[in-house]
Amino acid sequence: GAVVSQHPSRVICKSGTSVKIECRSLDFQATTMFWYRQFPKQSLMLMATSNEGSKATYEQGVEKDKFLINHASLTLSTLTVTSAHPEDSSFYICSATTGLGSGANVLTFGAGSRLTVL
Amino acid sequence: QKEVEQNSGPLSVPEGAIASLNCTYSDRGSQSFFWYRQYSGKSPELIMFIYSNGDKEDGRFTAQLNKASQYVSLLIRDSQPSDSATYLCAVKSGGSNYKLTFGKGTLLTVNP
Repeated sequence: GAVVSQHPSRVICKSGTSVKIECRSLDFQATTMFWYRQFPKQSLMLMATSNEGSKATYEQGVEKDKFLINHASLTLSTLTVTSAHPEDSSFYICSATTGLGSGANVLTFGAGSRLTVL
Repeated sequence: QKEVEQNSGPLSVPEGAIASLNCTYSDRGSQSFFWYRQYSGKSPELIMFIYSNGDKEDGRFTAQLNKASQYVSLLIRDSQPSDSATYLCAVKSGGSNYKLTFGKGTLLTVNP
């Protein structure tokens, strides 16, 4: 089955620094990947849609200059949280779909990255 | 604003019982419906998806969809303590962009 690898699983950083999170589709090509954020006891909120070779599409209220997304290849998307602040502390999860067959609409999630900004 | 509503619970059932999880959605154009299970501190994992009205069974899980009433449910038969988790309902509207809208989830506790 489709596997999505996400790294790092946990990261602690100081306020004002930048953090990069990687998301890789291991056994399939993902033209589209999605980045979600989840605060404690809340649902997943879509931040942006990452398209290979083009600019990401951000959801309303998500600052594109703060959350930089790069989808340089069919198997890799990165999310960089720039100038992180404590309120950015959250669980960030990427997902991807093969876009094929009966699983065309099925999202496979990475394991998530828990960011703590001190 | 497309919304997906779930009872946050917690829903508590004894081991071996049937757990019933419900979800309603606001967008009548929704086409695909998903149930994900999320253990504490982990990312969601897919349990089932359903596209057509009626029931879809997979092992101990049955998804039920009623588009006219705009609800989708998940039944878990012979509930096990390992089923204790938050269950997320997700809905995809029409179009080809694979975007999902998630509910807040229902916390299920299965008591031994």
